[in-house]
Amino acid sequence: NAGVTQTPKFQVLKTGQSMTLQCAQDMNHEYMSWYRQDPGMGLRLIHYSVGAGITDQGEVPNGYNVSRSTTEDFPLRLLSAAPSQTSVYFCACRGGRETQYFGPGTRLLVL
Amino acid sequence: DQQVKQNSPSLSVQEGRISILNCDYTNSMFDYFLWYKKYPAEGPTFLISISSIKDKNEDGRFTVFLNKSAKHLSLHIVPSQPGDSAVYFCAASLTGTASKLTFGTGTRLQVTL
Repeated sequence: NAGVTQTPKFQVLKTGQSMTLQCAQDMNHEYMSWYRQDPGMGLRLIHYSVGAGITDQGEVPNGYNVSRSTTEDFPLRLLSAAPSQTSVYFCACRGGRETQYFGPGTRLLVL
Repeated sequence: DQQVKQNSPSLSVQEGRISILNCDYTNSMFDYFLWYKKYPAEGPTFLISISSIKDKNEDGRFTVFLNKSAKHLSLHIVPSQPGDSAVYFCAASLTGTASKLTFGTGTRLQVTL
């Protein structure tokens, strides 16, 4: 039982490049989310999904796309990377209200 | 507009003493509160939570207190241990908002020997 896995662990992009951050969970939880963590800002919600085929925007969705074709996977796409997207990205899943389980994070540097 | 605030960026406590981490919120509609602990290069891990219908929840060395009239919650760690050194985030949610947690900015706790 791996919980929530994220790949890659670290990525360097040039401005304008695109990439997909992968997130997978093996807990069969319906709810999944993406957060970004920036210094002095805490964690901010980017997008979330309440089940396969259903996604919605969070607090800071601009510049990011998501899709949810299966319960297990919730990839986050950066269409045209900008330096402002330099951050640490966390994926999470939740089975009930008690808690969310976070992945180990992806550290992204956009030059 | 920061709806969940942790005004102390850092806190240093001696081993064995009590650590008190504070959190304030502005949205009176929040009805569920959580504390997460985060070590460097790892994702946050759930620590303890409290519903707005309660004013206290205890789990071992960790106790969360909620004062709804003051819109304030605190996390008490007794006794503090060196392994408790981490960044602590409080978070809040509203009923019916699915996965949406609003996080504070975090407090770095250092427990010294």
